[in-house]
Amino acid sequence: DAGVTQSPTHLIKTRGQQVTLRCSPKSGHDTVSWYQQALGQGPQFIFQYYEEEERQRGNFPDRFSGHQFPNYSSELNVNALLLGDSALYLCASSLKQGNTGELFFGEGSRLTVL
Amino acid sequence: RKEVEQDPGPFNVPEGATVAFNCTYSNSASQSFFWYRQDCRKEPKLLMSVYSSGNEDGRFTAQLNRASQYISLLIRDSKLSDSATYLCVVNPYLSGNTGKLIFGQGTTLQVKP
Repeated sequence: DAGVTQSPTHLIKTRGQQVTLRCSPKSGHDTVSWYQQALGQGPQFIFQYYEEEERQRGNFPDRFSGHQFPNYSSELNVNALLLGDSALYLCASSLKQGNTGELFFGEGSRLTVL
Repeated sequence: RKEVEQDPGPFNVPEGATVAFNCTYSNSASQSFFWYRQDCRKEPKLLMSVYSSGNEDGRFTAQLNRASQYISLLIRDSKLSDSATYLCVVNPYLSGNTGKLIFGQGTTLQVKP
């Protein structure tokens, strides 16, 4: 049973560039959420996708956008990168209906912006 | 004020010690509560849910005080393998909607031999 998988695991970008991060949810899960975790901080909610639509959004600018595909996988896009975007980006999957309140996280994509 | 506040520590304790972590949350309408564990440079994983009646899982006990908006985690007989960051997590929504969890900063525990 495959867990949540993310790619790439590490990447380095420069200010102003754009980045796309990818996530495949745990088998059987239909909901994907993205979190940003800065060093020494807890994860912060970016947005959630269900049925290919953004359902909830945290306090992040429009530079952060996403997409969910029919197979439930998801992408996170960040435009016009800033130094402050350097963080671990975590994808989490869950089941919309009948869930227990548990999120399953991938190992994350570690983004460094220079 | 942060929505979920924790003392970041670190808590340095010897093996076998009992250690307690506390957490406060600001939204009184919050519906469900959890402790997640995060090992160094790894992803968070659910440790246990927290219920109003309190719940225990082996050496771990979690308690919730809704009136004080306070959550606690007690670890008895600490093991070296307990060394990790413990994240207090609040779900402000009714169960069935786990997308937007609010995480605290995390409390780092280091268990020494």
